Amino acid sequence: AQTVTQSQPEMSVQEAETVTLSCTYDTSENNYYLFWYKQPPSRQMILVIRQEAYKQQNATENRFSVNFQKAAKSFSLKISDSQLGDTAMYFCAFRDTGANSKLTFGKGITLSVRP
Amino acid sequence: DAMVIQNPRYQVTQFGKPVTLSCSQTLNHNVMYWYQQKSSQAPKLLFHYYDKDFNNEADTPDNFQSRRPNTSFCFLDIRSPGLGDAAMYLCATSGHGSYGYTFGSGTRLTVV
Repeated sequence: AQTVTQSQPEMSVQEAETVTLSCTYDTSENNYYLFWYKQPPSRQMILVIRQEAYKQQNATENRFSVNFQKAAKSFSLKISDSQLGDTAMYFCAFRDTGANSKLTFGKGITLSVRP
Repeated sequence: DAMVIQNPRYQVTQFGKPVTLSCSQTLNHNVMYWYQQKSSQAPKLLFHYYDKDFNNEADTPDNFQSRRPNTSFCFLDIRSPGLGDAAMYLCATSGHGSYGYTFGSGTRLTVV
C-alpha cells in the first residue's frame, strides 16, 4: 500500500516571500501521479499542480512549482511570491495508474501567509 | 462550466435520523468518490463507484451507504447518524488518472 507523509503540520511565511512544503511517499510502483491540493477556509479542494512520475521535468504552474525527486520519493511544493490568498491547508496526494486507483492523501499542512 | 455540485452546502440532522447527501457532475466522469473529512484532517475515502460497480473501503461503517442511479448523480446515505459522523463530506470525480480528482464544495453535516 502506498503512503504519503507530510511531516510539518504548519508553516508560516511573510507575504511576497517563498516557501517550500515537504512531502515524501512510499510506493513500489514505477509509474504513478503526484498532486498538491489546496483547501482554503471555504473548504473547496482545489488542484494546484500535478506531476507524472515518468516525466523528469518538474511541473510548474505560475507561482507554484515542484521539486520531484523520484529516487528519494520526495515531492515538495514551492510557492513563490506568497500571497494572502495562499493561506490554506495543502495536501500532497498520490495515485497509481490503475483504472480503479484511489487518491491517497498526506495529513496536510496548514500554511499561513502573514501580511 | 463542467463541475461537481454538492447539495446542500450545510445539513443539520438529528441524532439517529436518516440523512441523504447528494452529488451531481457534468464532467461525464465514470468514477465518483465520497470522502469524509473531519476538522484539520486529511479526507478519508468511504467508497467509490467505478461506473456502476460499488467499491466499499474496508473500514467504512455499515451506517454509510451509497447509491448511483446514473452517471451524473451519486448519493450518500447515513442510516442512523451519530455525533461522531459530524464532518465535511466531499464528493469527487475522476475520468483520467493524470488529472487527479475534481472535488465538489462539500456538505458540512452537523448532528444534534
